[in-house]
Amino acid sequence: SQTIHQWPATLVQPVGSPLSLECTVEGTSNPNLYWYRQAAGRGLQLLFYSVGIGQISSEVPQNLSASRPQDRQFILSSKKLLLSDSGFYLCAWSRALQETQYFGPGTRLLVL
Amino acid sequence: DQQVKQNSPSLSVQEGRISILNCDYTNSMFDYFLWYKKYPAEGPTFLISISSIKDKNEDGRFTVFLNKSAKHLSLHIVPSQPGDSAVYFCAAISGTYKYIFGTGTRLKVLA
Repeated sequence: SQTIHQWPATLVQPVGSPLSLECTVEGTSNPNLYWYRQAAGRGLQLLFYSVGIGQISSEVPQNLSASRPQDRQFILSSKKLLLSDSGFYLCAWSRALQETQYFGPGTRLLVL
Repeated sequence: DQQVKQNSPSLSVQEGRISILNCDYTNSMFDYFLWYKKYPAEGPTFLISISSIKDKNEDGRFTVFLNKSAKHLSLHIVPSQPGDSAVYFCAAISGTYKYIFGTGTRLKVLA
């Protein structure tokens, strides 16, 4: 069966510090990968998606970037965090675009 | 512009009764709809989905109804159980990869 991991579970970072959140998927190959953010009182907003190694599409302009160095690894990064980057970050995978997406446990990020 | 709306931020239901969660959408090009359940500090869990060619899909205690003319879908949970207490998100997709999520409805099932 497939599993998706995210770490860390919780992160408190000062404004201006860098960020690296990691997501890995097990039990499948060549998954489509996604990064979402849930801000307080809002739905899930798609930030990035990837259909393959090194292929990243950005959905919204922002302070964050994504990378996919390996088939089942997806990384969300920032060089300098802003207060507005606080939120709950979720990684998801699917077998193909338009197929059901399955979410990881999420990372709660608090920028102070 | 919120294309998928869940107008009820919260709902309380007695255990054993029916829970009805509603979702409205504006884009008639959406052709697939999903419901996810989310516990605090966890990722959403896929519950049930429905294609726009159907008007009903059932899976155990969960049934999703789709009314295309009204651009409305609903999730029925019967009977409701305390473990169903969570935030429920509806999502819609068109002919692309992109999920559009609603803002969620917090369901509380009272024992």
